[in-house]
Amino acid sequence: DQQVKQNSPSLSVQEGRISILNCDYTNSMFDYFLWYKKYPAEGPTFLISISSIKDKNEDGRFTVFLNKSAKHLSLHIVPSQPGDSAVYFCAASSPSGSRLTFGEGTQLTVNP
Amino acid sequence: DVKVTQSSRYLVKRTGEKVFLECVQDMDHENMFWYRQDPGLGLRLIYFSYDVKMKEKGDIPEGYSVSREKKERFSLILESASTNQTSMYLCASSLWTGLWETQYFGPGTRLLVL
Repeated sequence: DQQVKQNSPSLSVQEGRISILNCDYTNSMFDYFLWYKKYPAEGPTFLISISSIKDKNEDGRFTVFLNKSAKHLSLHIVPSQPGDSAVYFCAASSPSGSRLTFGEGTQLTVNP
Repeated sequence: DVKVTQSSRYLVKRTGEKVFLECVQDMDHENMFWYRQDPGLGLRLIYFSYDVKMKEKGDIPEGYSVSREKKERFSLILESASTNQTSMYLCASSLWTGLWETQYFGPGTRLLVL
């Protein structure tokens, strides 16, 4: 069963606009959530995270929102830049261990 | 900066060959992980290790084994490569904190099994 789901395989936005990437999870034990960005032929790089004690975390142009009751998180990128074009993975972990469960990824394309 | 390196960026092997993928991290992390990434499936965990000589199965361990003889090195072994093991293989490491750990990834090895 897919415990972390990213329902949109792709998203296309114009440069300067907001990009919103979504992620849903089913395991209520998850208490830490991360977003990774991946360029082709490279490993994923850590972008931003949020723990379950918060509902928002911001880092520059990137903001992650967590809605625990809906088991939903989202990543907002404002303003979007062409260099943000990449695959974005959300991931989650539970208190019981160090392993992460990843979503399928969303390909973001930012058009100039 | 955390540095995770993988022995090869690209590898081509024949069906039935034994394949070794090496991963080294330089940050004294306790935890190390091997994933494979396939289109539409995200990253799936193959094996992980919490300490030297320790290993735990992930979600898709069949056809793979691992070795962790030193803290900084984690090897993935394909005992007899098959075409369905053609994939991007990613190694990661994390510092054990017991709480809210972040994994850091290597550049990946693109493996093609013919």
